[in-house]
Amino acid sequence: ETGVTQSPTHLIKTRGQQVTLRCSSQSGHNTVSWYQQALGQGPQFIFQYYREEENGRGNFPPRFSGLQFPNYSSELNVNALELDDSALYLCASSLGWAGYGYTFGSGTRLTVV
Amino acid sequence: GQQVMQIPQYQHVQEGEDFTTYCNSSTTLSNIQWYKQRPGGHPVFLIQLVKSGEVKKQKRLTFQFGEAKKNSSLHITATQTTDVGTYFCAGPEGGSQGNLIFGKGTKLSVKP
Repeated sequence: ETGVTQSPTHLIKTRGQQVTLRCSSQSGHNTVSWYQQALGQGPQFIFQYYREEENGRGNFPPRFSGLQFPNYSSELNVNALELDDSALYLCASSLGWAGYGYTFGSGTRLTVV
Repeated sequence: GQQVMQIPQYQHVQEGEDFTTYCNSSTTLSNIQWYKQRPGGHPVFLIQLVKSGEVKKQKRLTFQFGEAKKNSSLHITATQTTDVGTYFCAGPEGGSQGNLIFGKGTKLSVKP
């Protein structure tokens, strides 16, 4: 059984650029959630995908968007990057909604300069 | 909106001392989950509590879910240096079938 894998592990972008982060969910999991974790803070919910449909969204602007593919892998896209977008982006997969525990990937550390 | 709060924010203990972190939700929860994040790492699922008043143990860790299902605690007996990290509680948004809302965590440091 493979865990959750995210790519890339680190990324440096310039303000105003666009970025795509990728996540492969754990085998058997059909739900992917994305979180943003600023330094010293708890993970902040961005959105969740269940069977390729967005299944909830946190308080993030529309320039944060995502996709889930038929194999349940997922992408997080961020347009018009701002300095405050610098954070660890975590992908978590689960079987169904929040009730069974999330398996997190190692995250992508995004730095916007 | 729904809030999940944790105290304390930081805890420094001597190895061998006990440690407790507390979690409070602004809404009644169907379940509460605990995660541990080691420095430089990612959150790792520890346990889920579902029943009112539930108590679960994992070796030196004891987890409790309050009677009103709005608060929870994690107690570590005789801390070890391997316990270092940040402990997060998380509950479903809307109390039942929502996405997980995380607290800000309690950062534990253990002095050998």
